[in-house]
Amino acid sequence: EAQVTQNPRYLITVTGKKLTVTCSQNMNHEYMSWYRQDPGLGLRQIYYSMNVEVTDKGDVPEGYKVSRKEKRNFPLILESPSPNQTSLYFCASNFGGNRGTEAFFGQGTRLTVV
Amino acid sequence: AQSVTQPDIHITVSEGASLELRCNYSYGATPYLFWYVQSPGQGLQLLLKYFSGDTLVQGIKGFEAEFKRSQSSFNLRKPSVHWSDAAEYFCAVGTGGGADGLTFGKGTHLIIQP
Repeated sequence: EAQVTQNPRYLITVTGKKLTVTCSQNMNHEYMSWYRQDPGLGLRQIYYSMNVEVTDKGDVPEGYKVSRKEKRNFPLILESPSPNQTSLYFCASNFGGNRGTEAFFGQGTRLTVV
Repeated sequence: AQSVTQPDIHITVSEGASLELRCNYSYGATPYLFWYVQSPGQGLQLLLKYFSGDTLVQGIKGFEAEFKRSQSSFNLRKPSVHWSDAAEYFCAVGTGGGADGLTFGKGTHLIIQP
């Protein structure tokens, strides 16, 4: 089954404790993204990757890191989480180029930083 | 840069009544347009998409949307809503190359009255 898998689904952590949210897709998509969703703000892109070892900042990259060492995986890293990073996070993947940009989303990770 | 406006934060509709959710976009060329639905506690599910061709597109769950270039709009419609349609709806625009991901509107929360 084609899917984007995020782990964990729920996470409560303390300020400053490094964490990683994993994302994996099985559709051989070149393009992967991370979004955060906050009430009244919709979804905002954090980082995206066009292929292995190619990443770039989205609209709200501060406080986040990503890596793309393999095509299927795109982890989101919070080196020193702060309460303003409490949010619902979504990973997405899609084919790039002229095959269109329909994105497939993971189920989301609800992060609480206390 | 592209942008998406969903003018209605909340909409309340009686079960069985028709529905129209508004979406306006800003982009210099022909965009790729999407509607996603998010049920409570769930990820995002693609309802429909417009890439090119017929400006009236049909989606899942009985939804349709019409692309109107002159009005920069991509409104979502359904002739008769069901209680299970209560959810958050997001309009999104993509630029086709996949390189910049999707830009989302802030969402419209749909409430269904019995």
